[in-house]
Amino acid sequence: GDSVTQMEGPVTLSEEAFLTINCTYTATGYPSLFWYVQYPGEGLQLLLKATKADDKGSNKGFEATYRKETTSFHLEKGSVQVSDSAVYFCALSKGGGFQKLVFGTGTRLLVSP
Amino acid sequence: NAGVTQTPKFQVLKTGQSMTLQCAQDMNHNSMYWYRQDPGMGLRLIYYSASEGTTDKGEVPNGYNVSRLNKREFSLRLESAAPSQTSVYFCASGTANTEAFFGQGTRLTVV
Repeated sequence: GDSVTQMEGPVTLSEEAFLTINCTYTATGYPSLFWYVQYPGEGLQLLLKATKADDKGSNKGFEATYRKETTSFHLEKGSVQVSDSAVYFCALSKGGGFQKLVFGTGTRLLVSP
Repeated sequence: NAGVTQTPKFQVLKTGQSMTLQCAQDMNHNSMYWYRQDPGMGLRLIYYSASEGTTDKGEVPNGYNVSRLNKREFSLRLESAAPSQTSVYFCASGTANTEAFFGQGTRLTVV
């Protein structure tokens, strides 16, 4: 079946460091790919998405490129802030709307001043 | 806008008790979803309703039932709670071409 694999956390960085969170997927066909973020005590919010190969999603300084050849959708940010501390989930969907999602296990990011 | 509202936010149940988790959205979305979130496992789909009047099983439906009461409301029922159902439950809604909008979650503990 379809699946998403994320790097283990937590990822601990100092403010202004470069961030990469790896995500790879297994799916037949052409899934849409997402990054969701969960701040402490809150529900998930969409951070960015890409719906076809080579698309780049971006939002709030975060970027991810849909790489079909490597089945990857790695999340990057050039300079993290303390306020970026959260859990980040990579996810895919195949038809049935953008809400029938298959999630990775999540990666906790901790940014210190 | 309230978005997706879940009640209650916290609940403790004894094994064998029943309860219903409520979810309502005010965005006129057709589709609604219930997920559970467990440590090290991400979120897993329990049940979903693609439109009013329809419901379908997701990845982990055993031990749960759902009701799509109307377009706004989608409830999740545990008939006989078990410790394995201790989790954080999230409701989400959307349309065919939009992102998922999530509620703030219900933290359920079954003792």
